[in-house]
This record gives sequence, structure tokens and C-alpha cells, in this order.
Amino acid sequence: NAGVMQNPRHLVRRRGQEARLRCSPMKGHSHVYWYRQLPEEGLKFMVYLQKENIIDESGMPKERFSAEFPKEGPSILRIQQVVRGDSAAYFCASSPTGVYGNTIYFGEGSWLTVV
Amino acid sequence: TQLLEQSPQFLSIQEGENLTVYCNSSSVFSSLQWYRQEPGEGPVLLVTVVTGGEVKKLKRLTFQFGDARKDSSLHITAAQPGDTGLYLCAGAPSGGSEKLVFGKGTKLTVNP
Repeated sequence: NAGVMQNPRHLVRRRGQEARLRCSPMKGHSHVYWYRQLPEEGLKFMVYLQKENIIDESGMPKERFSAEFPKEGPSILRIQQVVRGDSAAYFCASSPTGVYGNTIYFGEGSWLTVV
Repeated sequence: TQLLEQSPQFLSIQEGENLTVYCNSSSVFSSLQWYRQEPGEGPVLLVTVVTGGEVKKLKRLTFQFGDARKDSSLHITAAQPGDTGLYLCAGAPSGGSEKLVFGKGTKLTVNP
């Protein structure tokens, strides 16, 4: 039973380019979350999705960031026109029931470096 | 905004010593989770506590949820070098939000 799969694990982008981060949840999990971890900071919630729907995007910057979880395929976190401050580790998590079911599993992360 | 304060931020001890990590808030959480994170990897769930006053044990690790569900502690007995890592607490807010609120973590180093 594969865990939450994220790719790429490491991504380097120049300022102004686009970054696309992918997340395949665990089998049977319809709840997907994206978190960002800045150096020396805790994980910060960005967005919560269920299949084809964004449920809560209150933690995601209004500009340049978008997320989707299509009916088929992985969830995508897209960052347009990246800036140095976007350099961080981005973690995806999935759950079959949501956080109140107390079973949420994180992927190994995608490390974005903007140069 | 709900916050979780973890202490201490850094902890360096000798093998065999005991330690306690604290996670405190002024807010009530419906549940609280503890994770361990290795460098370059994602957080791995250790335990979830749900009921006020609940105590859970995982080998040498003991987790407690405060009676008022505002705080939690992690106690490690006879620490080993393999316990070295970043320990994170995360709370599920009461009220239905799906956002986990994370503490900044405690970086534990156990020296042989």
C-alpha cells in the first residue's frame, strides 16, 4: 500500500518561472491537503481539496498560487512567477475521512528552490 | 487564530536520560497529533490523542492530552540516539475546520 507520493522531490526554478508540484494521495483517500514549511518555521496550512473541489483555500496566497484535484490524476499545486520567498518545502497530506477521523498521512515533500 | 507553542525549541541530551516536550495553547482542540520529522522527509504520525486527560504509550514514548484539551506533552524514557529528530505537535481545531495547526517543533539530539 503505497504512501502519499509527491514529485518532484526537488525542484529548482529561476525567478519568474512556474513551479508545478504533484501529489498522489494514498489509495482510497479523497481528502488532500497542502502545507508549506519555511526554514525554522512550522508547517502552515495552504489548501484543502476533495475530488474536483477546493474546500478551503484560506491559507493560500491569493495571487500566483493555485491548486486542483481533478477527477482523474494527482493533485497539483501550481506557483506562477516564482519569487525567492517561495523557496520552501511543500508537503501534501491525504486522509480517507478528514482530520476529524484522525488518520492523515504526509508525503515526503517537494523542496522548491528559487534562484 | 489558534496557535500551538512548543517547548523547548532545542534539546540536547545524553543517551539514557529522560525528557519531556510540551505543546501549549490557549485554544481548545478536538484532537492533537504528534509527528516526528527527519531532515529531508515528511512528518510521520506517531500518535493521536482525542479525549481530555488521555494517555497513550508507544514503547518508551508517553503522550498525554490535557484535561481541557489545550495542551499536550511527550515524554521519552531512556532516550536513545535513534530518537534524534524534530518532534512536531499539531492540533485539529474544534469547530469543524480541516486545517491542522502545527507547533514550530522541538529539535531533539540524543548523544551516545
